[in-house]
Amino acid sequence: AQTVTQSQPEMSVQEAETVTLSCTYDTSENNYYLFWYKQPPSRQMILVIRQEAYKQQNATENRFSVNFQKAAKSFSLKISDSQLGDTAMYFCAFTLDNYGQNFVFGPGTRLSVLP
Amino acid sequence: GAGVSQSPSNKVTEKGKDVELRCDPISGHTALYWYRQSLGQGLEFLIYFQGNSAPDKSGLPSDRFSAERTGGSVSTLTIQRTQQEDSAVYLCASSLANGINYEQYFGPGTRLTVT
Repeated sequence: AQTVTQSQPEMSVQEAETVTLSCTYDTSENNYYLFWYKQPPSRQMILVIRQEAYKQQNATENRFSVNFQKAAKSFSLKISDSQLGDTAMYFCAFTLDNYGQNFVFGPGTRLSVLP
Repeated sequence: GAGVSQSPSNKVTEKGKDVELRCDPISGHTALYWYRQSLGQGLEFLIYFQGNSAPDKSGLPSDRFSAERTGGSVSTLTIQRTQQEDSAVYLCASSLANGINYEQYFGPGTRLTVT
């Protein structure tokens, strides 16, 4: 079975600074998809960024980027120029290429951006 | 277009009563997921529907929990004889899950309080 680990239950960062959230996963498969989701205090879960395992180039969405290390099974999220609105729970997630049957979420990292 | 909607947004019920929670997925999304989230915690997978296939019910915590998806669209999660430990936010998500797009789109959730 696939598993997703987020080793940092809580983190904090000063506004305008950069922070990196860690995620590791375990699978014996070669084709899969990785995601980072954000859940602010309002509780609506929002997709931040996605990465296909077959793509070597790291995904980037504005201030959000990932460092995807396939051999190490690592998928970290970097938030640059942190803003107060980035305060949220961040969940790393994984799915195989099988119609979404094995979609697994990590336990989450609570990020606080401090003014 | 419209996102995933859930109703009610909040539900307060007495212990022992039955409740029904509704989810309207994004049109055309074949995969539908239910999750439970306790305060400040991660996502607990409950059930997964994909098209006309038999649902994956492996996450349902007891036989008091059931779910159905009619016509491949709207889904209802039913909790019978509610207990106080059932108090949580129940999240629904849908996905194309078509071999290219696997990201889940979440509804705003239903906050269930059992008194």
